[in-house]
Amino acid sequence: SAVISQKPSRDICQRGTSLTIQCQVDSQVTMMFWYRQQPGQSLTLIATANQGSEATYESGFVIDKFPISRPNLTFSTLTVSNMSPEDSSIYLCSALGADSYEQYFGPGTRLTVT
Amino acid sequence: KNQVEQSPQSLIILEGKNCTLQCNYTVSPFSNLRWYKQDTGRGPVSLTIMTFSENTKSNGRYTATLDADTKQSSLHITASQLSDSASYICVVSGGGADGLTFGKGTHLIIQP
Repeated sequence: SAVISQKPSRDICQRGTSLTIQCQVDSQVTMMFWYRQQPGQSLTLIATANQGSEATYESGFVIDKFPISRPNLTFSTLTVSNMSPEDSSIYLCSALGADSYEQYFGPGTRLTVT
Repeated sequence: KNQVEQSPQSLIILEGKNCTLQCNYTVSPFSNLRWYKQDTGRGPVSLTIMTFSENTKSNGRYTATLDADTKQSSLHITASQLSDSASYICVVSGGGADGLTFGKGTHLIIQP
């Protein structure tokens, strides 16, 4: 199995600023992902973090707003740029295990934008 | 459009009682169906994963069923405990991790 940690666990940020969320996995994984979970809603995939290359974004999400890095197999960052109150949400890091079957999730980062 | 519908939206039961959560899906192609438990302030944790050929799978007091013909699944919790209070999310995979469709979850509260 894989254990995923995220930093920070929560933050309150001002409108117009940016926040970078870090995700660390304790074992080898194949794919890493970033999700957003708004209150009472399903998880929505933001992007797939690709090692050493640009992330693959889902419809409605763009690199300028959510730049993502994955410098190695077990670490990734998501930046929420030029934040607005609509960005208030929980951001979850996820990874596909080495068997490419089980998918693990981090504890999430609760972001509040004022 | 791929969709996963869960019911009920929320449920309150007394400790020690059993309950069943429902999941209906319209996802195609179908690879597997997963149930996750998400405690408040935590990320989802996998309970079961079932492929097309599996009708039932248990994990302790949790038993999931799958009817691939009717595209329905259920999660049965036996002898509920206070620690079962959480959101339970049904997730259907069409193959490949980026093909996951998430339900909104059932919020379960166990009362002493």
